Amino acid sequence: ELKVEQNPLFLSMQEGKNYTIYCNYSTTSDRLYWYRQDPGKSLESLFVLLSNGAVKQEGRLMASLDTKARLSTLHITAAVHDLSATYFCAVIRTDKLIFGTGTRLQVFP
Amino acid sequence: GAVVSQHPSRVICKSGTSVKIECRSLDFQATTMFWYRQFPKKSLMLMATSNEGSKATYEQGVEKDKFLINHASLTLSTLTVTSAHPEDSSFYICSAWDRGHTGELFFGEGSRLTVL
Repeated sequence: ELKVEQNPLFLSMQEGKNYTIYCNYSTTSDRLYWYRQDPGKSLESLFVLLSNGAVKQEGRLMASLDTKARLSTLHITAAVHDLSATYFCAVIRTDKLIFGTGTRLQVFP
Repeated sequence: GAVVSQHPSRVICKSGTSVKIECRSLDFQATTMFWYRQFPKKSLMLMATSNEGSKATYEQGVEKDKFLINHASLTLSTLTVTSAHPEDSSFYICSAWDRGHTGELFFGEGSRLTVL
């Protein structure tokens, strides 16, 4: 059974600081996705990582994938309040997307 | 770009009634759609795969008689929560692959069900 775990589950960080969210998964997968969810809303796609060593960046967020270690990271640079949200990684299992446990990020002044 | 639309976005019903949630792919055809359930402050749990023209495939532990899924056309899947109880209250989200266009997975806006 595919398990997808994120660490930490909750992150409170000060504006301007850097931090990394980790996503571990238990079986081989081709693709890994990162999503953002605001309270009461659906998912917003952030990144799709398609191969080992893939790195993508958008603004203050950068995601990477190590398929050998079955690990993806989402790095936050110089956090701002607008980044406060819940972040999910998700891994493909056959045709289905299995979500990680989620990381709730709170950025304070 | 490709859009998946859900309706209704919010629904409140009494215990014992049935509620139908619709999921439409607006500008692409989706032979397969997925239904997720999310409890407050929890992750998304895959409930079932909706297959156009055939029976849905349910994940382990999901009651198929409680959550009826119908995929009558290439652009519409419906989830009916039958004989709803307060524990069925949740956020339900559908998704679909846009295989022909972008190859991406698109999510609906979600439907919040509250059972009184």
